[in-house]
Amino acid sequence: DAGITQSPRHKVTETGTPVTLRCHQTENHRYMYWYRQDPGHGLRLIHYSYGVKDTDKGEVSDGYSVSRSKTEDFLLTLESATSSQTSVYFCAINGADYNEQFFGPGTRLTVL
Amino acid sequence: DQQVKQNSPSLSVQEGRISILNCDYTNSMFDYFLWYKKYPAEGPTFLISISSIKDKNEDGRFTVFLNKSAKHLSLHIVPSQPGDSAVYFCAATAIQGAQKLVFGQGTRLTINP
Repeated sequence: DAGITQSPRHKVTETGTPVTLRCHQTENHRYMYWYRQDPGHGLRLIHYSYGVKDTDKGEVSDGYSVSRSKTEDFLLTLESATSSQTSVYFCAINGADYNEQFFGPGTRLTVL
Repeated sequence: DQQVKQNSPSLSVQEGRISILNCDYTNSMFDYFLWYKKYPAEGPTFLISISSIKDKNEDGRFTVFLNKSAKHLSLHIVPSQPGDSAVYFCAATAIQGAQKLVFGQGTRLTINP
């Protein structure tokens, strides 16, 4: 298994509160990604990082920000959570041959 | 605009028979395709991939076929086993650049004994 952990694994929060999800890798890979999974949509890219302090937007980036101060950690922040951000969030890193991505176990976020 | 589509939300197959999962894409820039398997409460697990320079790739019971002219790929599982019951996602990306994956909606495969 790729060395990816996510925390927390489950979180329930209220509308308007800030939330930060953490992705940690032990593989020293350059690229890291945040996706969300929703019924009928598969997984959609939120943001990605191509190095420390280097990040860019994905398909569904509105309402989210990210930070990467160390190679091993990639943080996803919801500045003011909304009910539409209730989802399962997955972090991913590239594999050794670069083209495949390997996913963490996911964080289930519920915004009430 | 859904660039990657899996038009069958679900598929039921008898154990031992062949399972065929289909995926269509619209973006001509995609040149690398992947299949993932997902169990409930777990992250997607990489299964098999194919580059656009090939039309077939095999790995054990899993074979992926790519028809570039039709912008269509399929995953064949032979023989199907009960442990194959899961949701299967196809994904596409362009090799050059940041490897941003675009996923289909998923197909739930159920293998019946």
